[in-house]
Amino acid sequence: RKEVEQDPGPFNVPEGATVAFNCTYSNSASQSFFWYRQDCRKEPKLLMSVYSSGNEDGRFTAQLNRASQYISLLIRDSKLSDSATYLCVVSSLTSGTYKYIFGTGTRLKVLA
Amino acid sequence: DAGITQSPRHKVTETGTPVTLRCHQTENHRYMYWYRQDPGHGLRLIHYSYGVKDTDKGEVSDGYSVSRSKTEDFLLTLESATSSQTSVYFCAISDPGISYNSPLHFGNGTRLTVT
Repeated sequence: RKEVEQDPGPFNVPEGATVAFNCTYSNSASQSFFWYRQDCRKEPKLLMSVYSSGNEDGRFTAQLNRASQYISLLIRDSKLSDSATYLCVVSSLTSGTYKYIFGTGTRLKVLA
Repeated sequence: DAGITQSPRHKVTETGTPVTLRCHQTENHRYMYWYRQDPGHGLRLIHYSYGVKDTDKGEVSDGYSVSRSKTEDFLLTLESATSSQTSVYFCAISDPGISYNSPLHFGNGTRLTVT
């Protein structure tokens, strides 16, 4: 079983739709959680960190459920420019050092 | 954007030749990471460094070595390149010593083709 798992999609949604992605992780000692966005042939870029109480940044809402070991990303009022791959990232302190483990990503295509 | 520079940006090399990729940062971050990205596998950790001369293996370290002689530079070496090492390589930095919630920041990537 992979440490971090995501539905690869693709998710094809119309403009203006609300779409949600989930990500599960297996290491219960994981400390930090992030969502990244990656455009084709580009480097991943931080979309938002995920905090225990949940957090929102404009049209984006992230939530963490430690008991069930999953994080989610909700995108409201989807724009064409939201089309990208969304990567779930989990960080843990292991043997005194920090590692970041990535999910394989969920592809989103917003259609006009 | 975080000051991370990867070089070269593109490289084509032949099987069996040594290759070194360079990552240079200007952020004075303690941690540096090398990932490779392949279709169907996502980003996989090759090696990482948590300080000068302090490095450790990631999940796909076979065939790769690293060195970090200065805070700002992290080198990834393929001792004898193979076609299976054709990939996109990303360097990333973070500073979790300041905050455990420190995210990764990535360089632009190096596209390596081994023929």
